[in-house]
Amino acid sequence: LAKTTQPISMDSYEGQEVNITCSHNNIATNDYITWYQQFPSQGPRFIIQGYKTKVTNEVASLFIPADRKSSTLSLPRVSLSDTAVYYCLVGDGIYGGSQGNLIFGKGTKLSVKP
Amino acid sequence: DVKVTQSSRYLVKRTGEKVFLECVQDMDHENMFWYRQDPGLGLRLIYFSYDVKMKEKGDIPEGYSVSREKKERFSLILESASTNQTSMYLCASRQTNSPLHFGNGTRLTVT
Repeated sequence: LAKTTQPISMDSYEGQEVNITCSHNNIATNDYITWYQQFPSQGPRFIIQGYKTKVTNEVASLFIPADRKSSTLSLPRVSLSDTAVYYCLVGDGIYGGSQGNLIFGKGTKLSVKP
Repeated sequence: DVKVTQSSRYLVKRTGEKVFLECVQDMDHENMFWYRQDPGLGLRLIYFSYDVKMKEKGDIPEGYSVSREKKERFSLILESASTNQTSMYLCASRQTNSPLHFGNGTRLTVT
């Protein structure tokens, strides 16, 4: 199973770009990388998913190097409302894979200050 | 929009009680999951189900069981609640190859 490692916490200021890196050294060939965001008293919600290179949506970008042993979630111009815990998840599997691989790491608590 | 509904936001139970946590999803998802979330430990997978009446153990199944009699409903059962099962419990569902959709959690306190 691919274990993920993320920084426990990060601080930023409004308007800055924030990059959160996740290490996943034993990622499997058919594993996707997925990021979730969680606010207090809510369940996590999907932000972005990728397999290799770069993926961008209206919320974030995801950078994945060629060896896929890490990934970086990039949040452009953060605001106070981006204060949350961000989880990296590896193991969704292109073809479904084993559902038991859907194991989260401990997450990164991002605090955005005015 | 996918909706995953957990029947209770807060529950307080006594040690030794049998506890049922209910979860319902409205998108006909094949797969459903139960996680628990504790400070400093992130989300840990307890059980998941990939079809009606099918279940698989996750990382921490000890002290828990599950039931999936209908596709839309996945129940987590604590046969004899203990204080170390005080936690936030999160249910999720997904279609295969799609992201997880979570409920808002049930905060269980066992006294």
